[in-house]
Amino acid sequence: AQSVTQLGSHVSVSEGALVLLRCNYSSSVPPYLFWYVQYPNQGLQLLLKYTSAATLVKGINGFEAEFKKSETSFHLTKPSAHMSDAAEYFCAVTEGSNDYKLSFGAGTTVTVRA
Amino acid sequence: NAGVTQTPKFQVLKTGQSMTLQCAQDMNHEYMSWYRQDPGMGLRLIHYSVGAGITDQGEVPNGYNVSRSTTEDFPLRLLSAAPSQTSVYFCASSSQGGRNYGYTFGSGTRLTVV
Repeated sequence: AQSVTQLGSHVSVSEGALVLLRCNYSSSVPPYLFWYVQYPNQGLQLLLKYTSAATLVKGINGFEAEFKKSETSFHLTKPSAHMSDAAEYFCAVTEGSNDYKLSFGAGTTVTVRA
Repeated sequence: NAGVTQTPKFQVLKTGQSMTLQCAQDMNHEYMSWYRQDPGMGLRLIHYSVGAGITDQGEVPNGYNVSRSTTEDFPLRLLSAAPSQTSVYFCASSSQGGRNYGYTFGSGTRLTVV
């Protein structure tokens, strides 16, 4: 079965600094990987997804993630943090044979300091 | 606007009461799922459906029932509410498999069981 580990439950960055959120996955078959963002009191919004095409994936709001099979990682980055990036971020994985079952990480809360 | 609609947004139940959380989507998506979100645990799959008349259990199905009589609706029933079911519940839907398009999430139902 697939699983996801997000390293760090809280990340604090200064406005304009690099945002780096770490995600490692476990999957017995080639995975499909996702990053979602949740703003306070809202649902989840898809940031980006990896579906076995390009290993560097660009998403919305300036975020991108790189799939590294050798490291079983899918870390999320943004070169310059904005106050509006303050939210909770979830990494998720699904396997090809069960593509309707998303397994989520525990989430990382991002705080942006002025 | 097209999307996933969940009702109610907030609910307080007494232990032992039953209730139904409603979920409707207008995107003609085949796949629908229910998740619960608890602090530090990410989202966990309760039940899912791959089409009208077809449902199956997810990771944490105990105490919940579902049915899918139409493509649009996927209600979640709490049979006898317990304090452990205090959580935020999200409904999600997807077409062509979540791995290709990512799920669309509703805005959630915050349930408190006292």
